[in-house]
Amino acid sequence: DAGVIQSPRHEVTEMGQEVTLRCKPISGHNSLFWYRQTMMRGLELLIYFNNNVPIDDSGMPEDRFSAKMPNASFSTLKIQPSEPRDSAVYFCASRSDAGLAVQETQYFGPGTRLLVL
Amino acid sequence: DQQVKQNSPSLSVQEGRISILNCDYTNSMFDYFLWYKKYPAEGPTFLISISSIKDKNEDGRFTVFLNKSAKHLSLHIVPSQPGDSAVYFCAASVYQFYFGTGTSLTVIP
Repeated sequence: DAGVIQSPRHEVTEMGQEVTLRCKPISGHNSLFWYRQTMMRGLELLIYFNNNVPIDDSGMPEDRFSAKMPNASFSTLKIQPSEPRDSAVYFCASRSDAGLAVQETQYFGPGTRLLVL
Repeated sequence: DQQVKQNSPSLSVQEGRISILNCDYTNSMFDYFLWYKKYPAEGPTFLISISSIKDKNEDGRFTVFLNKSAKHLSLHIVPSQPGDSAVYFCAASVYQFYFGTGTSLTVIP
């Protein structure tokens, strides 16, 4: 398996522009997570999908952030409009949840480094 | 508010010596703890985990210790190797994972 795939790997944009980050989870995994990594807060969970349904989006910082998972093999994280403080590395991770067990490890993608000027 | 804290942003250790990375948490409901390792320009990768019913888990050079009364987790690497130089994140879970801010370990040859 190719692992979790994220695109683009790097994104530089200007303030006010729309940014779309993409993620392809590992085939067969039924949970998908979007994280943001910053120096000050480490890895913050933004949103969590299970079986394509958003379960917890309490970590989404503002209405400018939205995430979708139209099918089991694809998810997007969109920022509109983007601001300089959104600059960070955004990771997608996936996991296979076996029933009630939530202790399976998550597998992370390589991340998207976003810079908003 | 950070439920999982790594108070040491960086650590330098001589090759062959022990590396000890620490992690504190606030939520007594956490029942599963993990350590992830991250190299530059890569995503974090799973390293070792421990359930709350245990106080120690060992995997080769890596040992994780859990002190539930102190709400403290530590990762011991013995002996440390230059290839261990990376950022280490601890994570705690009750339903979803909460990560610390990471500790950058440098192992000096």
